[in-house]
Amino acid sequence: QSVLTQPPSVSAAPGQKVTISCSGGSSNIGKNYVSWYQQVPGTAPKLLIYEDYKRPSEIPDRFSGSRSGTSATLGITGLQTGDEADYYCATWDNSLRGFIFGSGTGVAVL
Amino acid sequence: QLQLQESGPGLVKPAETLSFNCTVSGGSVSSTRYHWGWIRQPPGKGLEWIGIISDRGITYYNPSLKSRVTISVDASKNQFSLKLSSVTAADTAFYYCARHFYFGPYYHIDVWGKGTAVTVSS
Repeated sequence: QSVLTQPPSVSAAPGQKVTISCSGGSSNIGKNYVSWYQQVPGTAPKLLIYEDYKRPSEIPDRFSGSRSGTSATLGITGLQTGDEADYYCATWDNSLRGFIFGSGTGVAVL
Repeated sequence: QLQLQESGPGLVKPAETLSFNCTVSGGSVSSTRYHWGWIRQPPGKGLEWIGIISDRGITYYNPSLKSRVTISVDASKNQFSLKLSSVTAADTAFYYCARHFYFGPYYHIDVWGKGTAVTVSS
């Protein structure tokens, strides 16, 4: 059971927006930056968001991130079929002294 | 552009030790800004962080695996390695090596290997 809780799945029609929540605690999200990863089935994960909201240069601005208190959120606007994937939040946990991943959220484009 | 390539056994028997290497190309394992680590993913399940090692050899391990895990670096070969002892079927997974950007104590993973599958079975 993951320390970081995400909804198992979200879905929306093409062009619409989805948000994915990541709920943690005071020793992880409450203290440290959050990153987000996209994993298309059959491939390795890819960095989407780092330091809560920053995007690597190759990631389009349809993807956004935020953090408040002990929760973080990933937003995807203008949903495309290519966005169908699993999405994971992650951060450092000061109590566990380790890096932790969220439980993962599958995004479906209806 | 930095690339990581895992090599692993594919199939091991219960109670044996799993050993992986990750070869780094296009960069150096001796960089002070990056730490090097491993993540695994059991079939149909989520990502599980295993551990990391710094350029100075400092390690952090997942508490649930700590008693069985060793991560090491060989700068002369520009490689880092993972050993997981006393394996069971629960260790069957896809194993990824990954570069972790470090800005103490903050990390994010900016480069992933393609991964290698391991099955534990007699």
